[in-house]
Amino acid sequence: QKEVEQDPGPLSVPEGAIVSLNCTYSNSAFQYFMWYRQYSRKGPELLMYTYSSGNKEDGRFTAQVDKSSKYISLFIRDSQPSDSATYLCAMSEGGTSYGKLTFGQGTILTVHP
Amino acid sequence: EAGVVQSPRYKIIEKKQPVAFWCNPISGHNTLYWYLQNLGQGPELLIRYENEEAVDDSQLPKDRFSAERLKGVDSTLKIQPAELGDSAVYLCASSKGQLAVGDEQFFGPGTRLTVL
Repeated sequence: QKEVEQDPGPLSVPEGAIVSLNCTYSNSAFQYFMWYRQYSRKGPELLMYTYSSGNKEDGRFTAQVDKSSKYISLFIRDSQPSDSATYLCAMSEGGTSYGKLTFGQGTILTVHP
Repeated sequence: EAGVVQSPRYKIIEKKQPVAFWCNPISGHNTLYWYLQNLGQGPELLIRYENEEAVDDSQLPKDRFSAERLKGVDSTLKIQPAELGDSAVYLCASSKGQLAVGDEQFFGPGTRLTVL
């Protein structure tokens, strides 16, 4: 079993929909949680990061972390065709291992006009 | 500010041939990472450098893979000999290396390797 599990989708939604992306993990030492967006033939780019449990909002994006359930989510409101990409969750233990990211396999999202 | 530069972008070789990938990180970034990304999967860390020192190479298959980061700037990842299963995208990333919250990793576009 992988340390981080992510539903690969693909997920197809109409423009304006609310999108929910999720990851579960098994390593209770993970403290830092990130979401990356990766367009085709590009490298991943950081969307949001959160530390420990709680919510964080940035524009149309909201990240949630529930450490008790080992479950993280990314919500996208008012989704746009430009949001079509692969979304990767990533996690780190912190400390000297902060830069060592463990990624989920990614969810392919398509937002159609 | 220029991003992480990688070359070549694409490489096709026959199995058992050697191959090398080059990465130039963002100026001033002390930490450099090499990742492997298989099709339909997330990136997997191969090696992490803090300046010239490889601080985490536990996931690097040392029988055929090698890496170096001379002078703590550019880095090269080499595979010799390549196998069919090495076909993947090799990503380079860099960060300031502050080991603090928010030390964002910036990724290059990757080198797509095909081994025939």
